[in-house]
Amino acid sequence: AQSVTQLGSHVSVSEGALVLLRCNYSSSVPPYLFWYVQYPNQGLQLLLKYTTGATLVKGINGFEAEFKKSETSFHLTKPSAHMSDAAEYFCAVSEGNAGNMLTFGGGTRLMVKP
Amino acid sequence: DADVTQTPRNRITKTGKRIMLECSQTKGHDRMYWYRQDPGLGLRLIYYSFDVKDINKGEISDGYSVSRQAQAKFSLSLESAIPNQTALYFCATSAGTNRYEQYFGPGTRLTVT
Repeated sequence: AQSVTQLGSHVSVSEGALVLLRCNYSSSVPPYLFWYVQYPNQGLQLLLKYTTGATLVKGINGFEAEFKKSETSFHLTKPSAHMSDAAEYFCAVSEGNAGNMLTFGGGTRLMVKP
Repeated sequence: DADVTQTPRNRITKTGKRIMLECSQTKGHDRMYWYRQDPGLGLRLIYYSFDVKDINKGEISDGYSVSRQAQAKFSLSLESAIPNQTALYFCATSAGTNRYEQYFGPGTRLTVT
């Protein structure tokens, strides 16, 4: 069975600082990995995804994530935080042979201080 | 206009009442999903449907039922609401050709008193 663990339910950074949100997964088959972002009072929107190929994937708003199979990780980073990045971020995993079901982590709320 | 819409956006109901949450999409996707979100637990899958005649239980289907009235409409019902069903409910869609990428509605905040 697949599962996702996001380390840190709350992360606080200063504006302009590096953003690092951690995600570790377990999967019995090569996973597909996703980061979704949820702004206040909105639904989730896809930030980026890894399916196959290049392990460093770039998403919207300057975010990127690297798939590290040996570490079973898919951490999300952004070099310089902006106030508008304040939101909740969800990591998700899908096993291709499970009918594309997504399993979500518990979420990390990112706060950006001026 | 939003591609995935949910009604109502907010609802307060009493224990034991039947309630229906509705989801409509204009994306033309064949696959639709219902999730609930609870703080610290992320999103958990309640039911999903790959087409009008295909309905499947998810991780936490007890106490819920669904109806896929058309390709574009997928409703979630709570037959007899209980307080621990208080949560944020999301509908999502995906296409068979790009099925791993899901598109979410804005959510329905349900409170059961």
